[in-house]
Amino acid sequence: AQKITQTQPGMFVQEKEAVTLDCTYDTSDPSYGLFWYKQPSSGEMIFLIYQGSYDQQNATEGRYSLNFQKARKSANLVISASQLGDSAMYFCAMRFNRDDKIIFGKGTRLHILP
Amino acid sequence: NAGVTQTPKFQVLKTGQSMTLQCAQDMNHEYMSWYRQDPGMGLRLIHYSVGAGITDQGEVPNGYNVSRSTTEDFPLRLLSAAPSQTSVYFCASSYSGRATDTQYFGPGTRLTVL
Repeated sequence: AQKITQTQPGMFVQEKEAVTLDCTYDTSDPSYGLFWYKQPSSGEMIFLIYQGSYDQQNATEGRYSLNFQKARKSANLVISASQLGDSAMYFCAMRFNRDDKIIFGKGTRLHILP
Repeated sequence: NAGVTQTPKFQVLKTGQSMTLQCAQDMNHEYMSWYRQDPGMGLRLIHYSVGAGITDQGEVPNGYNVSRSTTEDFPLRLLSAAPSQTSVYFCASSYSGRATDTQYFGPGTRLTVL
């Protein structure tokens, strides 16, 4: 069965430190996409970064990078030089070519401390 | 460019009442979907559509109906609201249902059923 696991319900990190948010997944489908979303306290879902299962390079978008380890089925989000505005809920998601469904992890709440 | 819009932002219903949550997108996206977000549960797929005239069930479809008469609109109907349907509802869209396509979310509707 396809599944996404985010093992850290909450994290506290000092401002300016780097943060790694864990995401592991389970699928037998060879073709899939992995996404990270940010949900601040205002409630909207903001797309951060995407990684395809066939991509050779790890994705990067500004301060966000995705540490993709395909053999270990992990897709951790790395935020460099954290800022107070990074305090939010973060969701890992996965979608497939074989069907049209998308699944989400339960999220990690990140708190950045001044 | 409005992206994905949802109305209303907030709604309170009594048990047994019916209502329709509206969702529209102006990006000419073929794929649209509805999620509900409950504390500690992440986002769960209710229904989705891969194009006008085509809809299918997600993980938690019971108690909800959808239709897709145009590419732009994807309303979600609650026929007889129950307290268990108290949640935050998100509509999302993407160009297609392919694994590489990013979903973009509306701002959400907070629904309370008394």
